[in-house]
Amino acid sequence: GENVEQHPSTLSVQEGDSAVIKCTYSDSASNYFPWYKQELGKRPQLIIDIRSNVGEKKDQRIAVTLNKTAKHFSLHITETQPEDSAVYFCAAKGSGYSTLTFGKGTMLLVSP
Amino acid sequence: NAGVMQNPRHLVRRRGQEARLRCSPMKGHSHVYWYRQLPEEGLKFMVYLQKENIIDESGMPKERFSAEFPKEGPSILRIQQVVRGDSAAYFCASSPGMGQRGDTQYFGPGTRLTVL
Repeated sequence: GENVEQHPSTLSVQEGDSAVIKCTYSDSASNYFPWYKQELGKRPQLIIDIRSNVGEKKDQRIAVTLNKTAKHFSLHITETQPEDSAVYFCAAKGSGYSTLTFGKGTMLLVSP
Repeated sequence: NAGVMQNPRHLVRRRGQEARLRCSPMKGHSHVYWYRQLPEEGLKFMVYLQKENIIDESGMPKERFSAEFPKEGPSILRIQQVVRGDSAAYFCASSPGMGQRGDTQYFGPGTRLTVL
């Protein structure tokens, strides 16, 4: 089955800096890669996603890049703000009725 | 359009009792997924259902756990004879299942189960 590795497990940055979280996946058939943000005690919320026919996608301060050959994808947050502090999860999904496989999460702390 | 609903939000059970967790998917969504999250850990897939069908239950323990998504009403995750190790947050997600955004899963607020 699919295996998703996520790094780093914790990331501390100063407000205004950029943050990058990286994930690798094992199943070359995976074709959908969402990112979720989870604040303490809250539900995971989808922040951005990318499909395998696209190499990069951007939404304001958030961007995701995908390298299918290397089987890795990354989340980039620019101009970080304290409210970006949360746990971020990457996930990968194959085609058809396959399900999402999540990484273990990255705790991002943005200090004012 | 109401989001994914789960109830109860908090559930306390004593060892050996049964726990029933409910999930109502977003309107128009026919696919439901259940995940378990332990403190400071990721989301572990348990089971994937469509109306009246279990598509994939590979992540669900074979004993004591069962899930259903009837034609009418919410999806239910049932844990019989709960043990302390069942204490966790259980999240439900739903997706349309069809179309370009068919893959996208939206999560409910979760049920936090505590087993005394």
